[in-house]
Amino acid sequence: LAKTTQPISMDSYEGQEVNITCSHNNIATNDYITWYQQFPSQGPRFIIQGYKTKVTNEVASLFIPADRKSSTLSLPRVSLSDTAVYYCLVGPRTGTASKLTFGTGTRLQVTL
Amino acid sequence: GAVVSQHPSWVICKSGTSVKIECRSLDFQATTMFWYRQFPKQSLMLMATSNEGSKATYEQGVEKDKFLINHASLTLSTLTVTSAHPEDSSFYICSASGLAGEGPSTDTQYFGPGTRLTVL
Repeated sequence: LAKTTQPISMDSYEGQEVNITCSHNNIATNDYITWYQQFPSQGPRFIIQGYKTKVTNEVASLFIPADRKSSTLSLPRVSLSDTAVYYCLVGPRTGTASKLTFGTGTRLQVTL
Repeated sequence: GAVVSQHPSWVICKSGTSVKIECRSLDFQATTMFWYRQFPKQSLMLMATSNEGSKATYEQGVEKDKFLINHASLTLSTLTVTSAHPEDSSFYICSASGLAGEGPSTDTQYFGPGTRLTVL
């Protein structure tokens, strides 16, 4: 499974857009990029998944350049409740038989 | 949809006793469930892959005789920590994904809320 590198922590003010970049230089052709959010003492929650270019849902956007060696999770107008750890995962589509390997994650702290 | 539950949410036990943790997919069937362990301020570490009707596959370094996994149905997997010791104290999380072609997307793993185990 491709290894990922993310910033250990980030700080933001409420209302700002937050971009978290993940490096995955060894991504394979059939690998997808998936982001999860985890609050303290809770299980991770799926945020978004993509293969290339841009994916957007009601929560976030995921930008993937053509070489797919990195990706950026964009959270628009964060609020205090977005304070959490965000994990970038790279691997086969997270289906039935696919193991997930979690990296260190990025601890996002949102303040007023 | 796509809800995964765990029971209990927390448990405290004495050293040497065994503890069973249940993971259920409430509104979909899951042929595969995964068990993770997470220590404070650390990332999730995969312990084992649980397949319905067959033996679990354990990650390197995880003792299969200590962490017994049973996946007897398409909606239930259990993790039993046998002869628990204080170093087994951790946050245990399961995940599951749906069967191809039905229910929630099979492209996503859904995680349970976790079980906090404290061994005294």
